[in-house]
Amino acid sequence: DAKTTQPPSMDCAEGRAANLPCNHSTISGNEYVYWYRQIHSQGPQYIIHGLKNNETNEMASLIITEDRKSSTLILPHATLRDTAVYYCIVKPTDSWGKFQFGAGTQVVVTP
Amino acid sequence: GAVVSQHPSRVICKSGTSVKIECRSLDFQATTMFWYRQFPKQSLMLMATSNEGSKATYEQGVEKDKFLINHASLTLSTLTVTSAHPEDSSFYICSARRTSGGPCFGPGTRLTVL
Repeated sequence: DAKTTQPPSMDCAEGRAANLPCNHSTISGNEYVYWYRQIHSQGPQYIIHGLKNNETNEMASLIITEDRKSSTLILPHATLRDTAVYYCIVKPTDSWGKFQFGAGTQVVVTP
Repeated sequence: GAVVSQHPSRVICKSGTSVKIECRSLDFQATTMFWYRQFPKQSLMLMATSNEGSKATYEQGVEKDKFLINHASLTLSTLTVTSAHPEDSSFYICSARRTSGGPCFGPGTRLTVL
């Protein structure tokens, strides 16, 4: 599975967009990019995933570069409840394999 | 949407006792579930893969005789921490593989061993 690299932390002002980068330069053609977040003392929560097209749902938008070597998760209007650790994971969607978590990005949304 | 529950949400036990944690997929069948543990200020560490009707497969360094996993039905996997000790105190999280999209995670179980 492709390795991902994320910044360890970032701050964001409430109401502003939060743009979370993820590098996955060794991604394979059949691997999807998944984003999860973990609010303190809770289980990880699925946010969004994509293969090569940009994706949007009620929580966030996912922008994947044309070469697929990096992606950005966008929280359009961050709220205090978006404070969490955000994980970017690369995986074939139909794989029997395991989801392994890196260190993620600690996002703190401030008033 | 897919929901995974865990029971109990938190448990305190004495050293030397065994603790069972349940993981249920509430609205879908999960032939494969995963167990993770998470120590304070650390990321999730995969412990084992639980397959319905067969033996679990454990990650390197995880003692299979200490962390017993049973996946007897398509909606239930259990993790039993045998002879628990203070160093086993951790946040235990399960996830269930879905037919599409990423796995669905449970809310976690906080284990404290005194």
